[in-house]
Amino acid sequence: KQEVTQIPAALSVPEGENLVLNCSFTDSAIYNLQWFRQDPGKGLTSLLLIQSSQREQTSGRLNASLDKSSGRSTLYIAASQPGDSATYLCAVTGNQFYFGTGTSLTVIP
Amino acid sequence: SQTIHQWPATLVQPVGSPLSLECTVEGTSNPNLYWYRQAAGRGLQLLFYSVGIGQISSEVPQNLSASRPQDRQFILSSKKLLLSDSGFYLCAWSAYDQPQHFGDGTRLSIL
Repeated sequence: KQEVTQIPAALSVPEGENLVLNCSFTDSAIYNLQWFRQDPGKGLTSLLLIQSSQREQTSGRLNASLDKSSGRSTLYIAASQPGDSATYLCAVTGNQFYFGTGTSLTVIP
Repeated sequence: SQTIHQWPATLVQPVGSPLSLECTVEGTSNPNLYWYRQAAGRGLQLLFYSVGIGQISSEVPQNLSASRPQDRQFILSSKKLLLSDSGFYLCAWSAYDQPQHFGDGTRLSIL
């Protein structure tokens, strides 16, 4: 069974810092990998989707990479802002969705 | 402990047929409930969410509808399916301001 792990579980950084969130998965037979943010009381927001044939995707201050052979993905956030505070989830799609354990990010003003 | 059940796991339907996907939650009361869809090649998209019985908020206009006839039951329906409705459908629940918990999903194929 696919297992998706995110490190660290929680992260606190001062505003303006660049940061990296990590996601690892055990089965490389995936269709795609997604990064989401989750805000309390709200639905998930899809941030970036990387197809299995791609190596990275960029959107604004966000950059996600995928190394399928090693079972790893990173989400890079540049120049962090207090509004970036949320829980970040990665998910891989195989026969079904497998969500990661999540990273709770706090950006301190 | 809380559990979420979503069925069926896979479904193949002809264009123009109706749809009913059901999601139930056990072990909690008055949960927030969510329906998501991932179409082929696209990211997960929130379709509907509900904060109580009969209270449904729609995030995107489409030919789908949702209903919450009971506190822990959330149903996704369509009167006439389109080819573009194919995708992976996820149900989720959360307690207020808490992380969401997801069902196993339904893979819907429209022929």
